[in-house]
Amino acid sequence: EADIYQTPRYLVIGTGKKITLECSQTMGHDKMYWYQQDPGMELHLIHYSYGVNSTEKGDLSSESTVSRIRTEHFPLTLESARPSHTSQYLCASSDPWRERHNEQFFGPGTRLTVL
Amino acid sequence: SQQGEEDPQALSIQEGENATMNCSYKTSINNLQWYRQNSGRGLVHLILIRSNEREKHSGRLRVTLDTSKKSSSLLITASRAADTASYFCATQGAQKLVFGQGTRLTINP
Repeated sequence: EADIYQTPRYLVIGTGKKITLECSQTMGHDKMYWYQQDPGMELHLIHYSYGVNSTEKGDLSSESTVSRIRTEHFPLTLESARPSHTSQYLCASSDPWRERHNEQFFGPGTRLTVL
Repeated sequence: SQQGEEDPQALSIQEGENATMNCSYKTSINNLQWYRQNSGRGLVHLILIRSNEREKHSGRLRVTLDTSKKSSSLLITASRAADTASYFCATQGAQKLVFGQGTRLTINP
């Protein structure tokens, strides 16, 4: 079991609310990622970070933003949630300096529903 | 895009049978990985095969890679009910992983 955590696991909120999805890992990994996944579909990379103060946008355009102030923490924020943001959000991490550096470790995900 | 495409989209077999899933991709890769996702959960890494490898085993898993055809297969032997999950291939180029749509595997007791 990977040491990567996401909270909340489920979130149902109304349109226009600001939300932050939390992701933390205790493995000391430099690289972290956020993916968006609709039910039964592939994962789309929306944000990634190669270390503290490093953030990049992924392949899928997203209205969310991320920050990386500490190695272990990579929160994702939506300033004004809309029904189109309803999806599952998965956080992952990897360590480029270790033998299994290509393997990504995933958190359990946050299932977001915006009404 | 080097997105993997998986086939079949869904597979239902009896416990004890073997399950085979296929993945095709479009561009050159450094490695190809397979992940499992149980319903409503995150992904778990199963196995990685490098571009210069043709076959790899891990327990009941066997992965093959044919770079000339840009395709890979995942074989699960002697399936169990606990193998019920979605299986994703992911291709890695220079930096990022790109995931396929997955195969939903159901093992019937």
